[in-house]
Amino acid sequence: SAVISQKPSRDICQRGTSLTIQCQVDSQVTMMFWYRQQPGQSLTLIATANQGSEATYESGFVIDKFPISRPNLTFSTLTVSNMSPEDSSIYLCSVTPRTGNRETQYFGPGTRLLVL
Amino acid sequence: LAKTTQPISMDSYEGQEVNITCSHNNIATNDYITWYQQFPSQGPRFIIQGYKTKVTNEVASLFIPADRKSSTLSLPRVSLSDTAVYYCLVERGKLIFGQGTELSVKP
Repeated sequence: SAVISQKPSRDICQRGTSLTIQCQVDSQVTMMFWYRQQPGQSLTLIATANQGSEATYESGFVIDKFPISRPNLTFSTLTVSNMSPEDSSIYLCSVTPRTGNRETQYFGPGTRLLVL
Repeated sequence: LAKTTQPISMDSYEGQEVNITCSHNNIATNDYITWYQQFPSQGPRFIIQGYKTKVTNEVASLFIPADRKSSTLSLPRVSLSDTAVYYCLVERGKLIFGQGTELSVKP
């Protein structure tokens, strides 16, 4: 398994500002993903964070709004840019360890974001 | 992409066995079937994964028929702490979550 931490755990932000969320893993992993979970809803995949190259975004998500970095095999950031109240959500990082089946993912505790 | 369908909610009582069935008619040959559990205010937690027949671990059992178009997660003797949302997924490489099944265990 992998131990994943996210910072911040929660934040309250003003409309129009940006917030960068960090995801740190205690071991090297192959894949890192970012999800969003709105209140009472299921998880929606935002993008796959690729090490050393641009992230791969899912339909409905764009780099200008959600820039992602992955400088190495244990760390990634997601920025929520020019926030609006509709961005209020929980943002989760997940990883696929180097060992084991690629379908097994481990999730971080999430970052709870409220935009006023 | 294989789509999954599972009941939106289920109720059970402590000590009962709970079976949650998921249908995935478009499952591909290389897809694995994976179940996750999510408690409120936490990220999803991996429960069990299988490809065919039956898989059992310390938490649950997973039954997969020969055609693999469905799967059943079995939770033996549930307790109040098993109240959570359970997700069935059949994607490869990246996980696409469906709506999940909200299990409520009552005393």
